[in-house]
Amino acid sequence: KQEVTQIPAALSVPEGENLVLNCSFTDSAIYNLQWFRQDPGKGLTSLLLIQSSQREQTSGRLNASLDKSSGRSTLYIAASQPGDSATYLCAVIGVGSNDYKLSFGAGTTVTVRA
Amino acid sequence: KAGVTQTPRYLIKTRGQQVTLSCSPISGHRSVSWYQQTPGQGLQFLFEYFSETQRNKGNFPGRFSGRQFSNSRSEMNVSTLELGDSALYLCASSLERGGYEQYFGPGTRLTVT
Repeated sequence: KQEVTQIPAALSVPEGENLVLNCSFTDSAIYNLQWFRQDPGKGLTSLLLIQSSQREQTSGRLNASLDKSSGRSTLYIAASQPGDSATYLCAVIGVGSNDYKLSFGAGTTVTVRA
Repeated sequence: KAGVTQTPRYLIKTRGQQVTLSCSPISGHRSVSWYQQTPGQGLQFLFEYFSETQRNKGNFPGRFSGRQFSNSRSEMNVSTLELGDSALYLCASSLERGGYEQYFGPGTRLTVT
């Protein structure tokens, strides 16, 4: 069974600092890894999708890396802003079982202080 | 393109009642999945529908059911509601089955009293 872990559970940084969010997964046989953002009481917004064959993906101030063999992904957010305050979730889809569900981590709650 | 829409957004029900939640996927998307989010358990997979067929089901009791229509819209039903069913129910759609990017709706907040 795929287990996804996100460390730290919470993070508070001053505005302008770079954010580093970590995600690890136990089974390296994955189709892809997806990073989401969730604001309180809202749905999930997809930030980045990394296919299993990719090493990284970038979108604006966001950069996500994937090391499938070690079961790790890192989301970097450059020059953080108060509007980046949210919970960030990573999720993976495994292969092999025809099971296309997302397995989620518990998330990292980020607070960016103005 | 319009995003994933879910109705209703908020719902208050009493124990023992039943409830139906609706999800309209992004136009052209054929796969719809449902997730339950609670503070204690996080995000848990409920089921996945594709071509009007349930393809996968999570570890939830039979009180949780769903269906998908020919236009890919999906509904989920919870019968005999329990207090523990209070949660945010999220629907996600993707173009096809497999490793495609999944897009989530705003969710339906269900409160059971």
